Amino acid sequence: DAGVTQSPTHLIKTRGQQVTLRCSPKSGHDTVSWYQQALGQGPQFIFQYYEEEERQRGNFPDRFSGHQFPNYSSELNVNALLLGDSALYLCASSSGRLTDTQYFGPGTRLTVL
Amino acid sequence: RKEVEQDPGPFNVPEGATVAFNCTYSNSASQSFFWYRQDCRKEPKLLMSVYSSGNEDGRFTAQLNRASQYISLLIRDSKLSDSATYLCVVKNTGGFKTIFGAGTRLFVKA
Repeated sequence: DAGVTQSPTHLIKTRGQQVTLRCSPKSGHDTVSWYQQALGQGPQFIFQYYEEEERQRGNFPDRFSGHQFPNYSSELNVNALLLGDSALYLCASSSGRLTDTQYFGPGTRLTVL
Repeated sequence: RKEVEQDPGPFNVPEGATVAFNCTYSNSASQSFFWYRQDCRKEPKLLMSVYSSGNEDGRFTAQLNRASQYISLLIRDSKLSDSATYLCVVKNTGGFKTIFGAGTRLFVKA
C-alpha cells in the first residue's frame, strides 16, 4: 500500500520564477492538504482540495494556487517566487469523511535564491 | 497571539525520565486535538489524538483541559528513540484547516 508521495524531493529556483510541486495521496484517500514549513516552525496550512475544488484556504497570497485531478493527485503552484518562500512543502492526504487523520508525504524542499 | 503555542524547548532529559509538554490554543471553538511527532528533516507523523477524557497509548498520555484551553503530552520512561520534535495540533469546529504549533524539541540522552 503506497503512502503519500511527493515530487520532486528538492528544488532550487531563483526569485521571480514559478514552481509546481506534485502530490499523490495514499491509496483510498480523496482529500489533499498542502502545508508550508519554514525552518524551526510548525507546518502552516496553505489549502485543502476535495472533489477537485479548493475547500478551505489559509493565510497565503494568491501567488499560491493549486489543483486536484480526477485521480485525487494534486499540484501546488507558486508564482513570482520570493526568498521567503524557501521552505519544506508538505502534502497530507485523508479521507473526505475522516479528515482528522492525515498522512504526510516526505515533502519537497524548495530553496529560492 | 498565535493560535497554538508551545514551549519550544529544547528539553534535554536522561533515558528513563518522565517529561511533559504543554500546549495552549486560543480559539474556544476548537474541536479536535492531536499530537504529532516529527523527526529531523522528516514528515510529521500522528502520535495520538487527544480526547476530552484523556487517553493513553503505552508510555504516552494525552490530556485536554477545555476550560483552560490547553493540551498536554506526558512521556514516561523516555527512550533514546523518543528524541524528536513534538507538534501540538488543533482543528476548529466546522473547518478543515489544521493548525500546528511550532513544536517542542526533545533530546533524550543515554
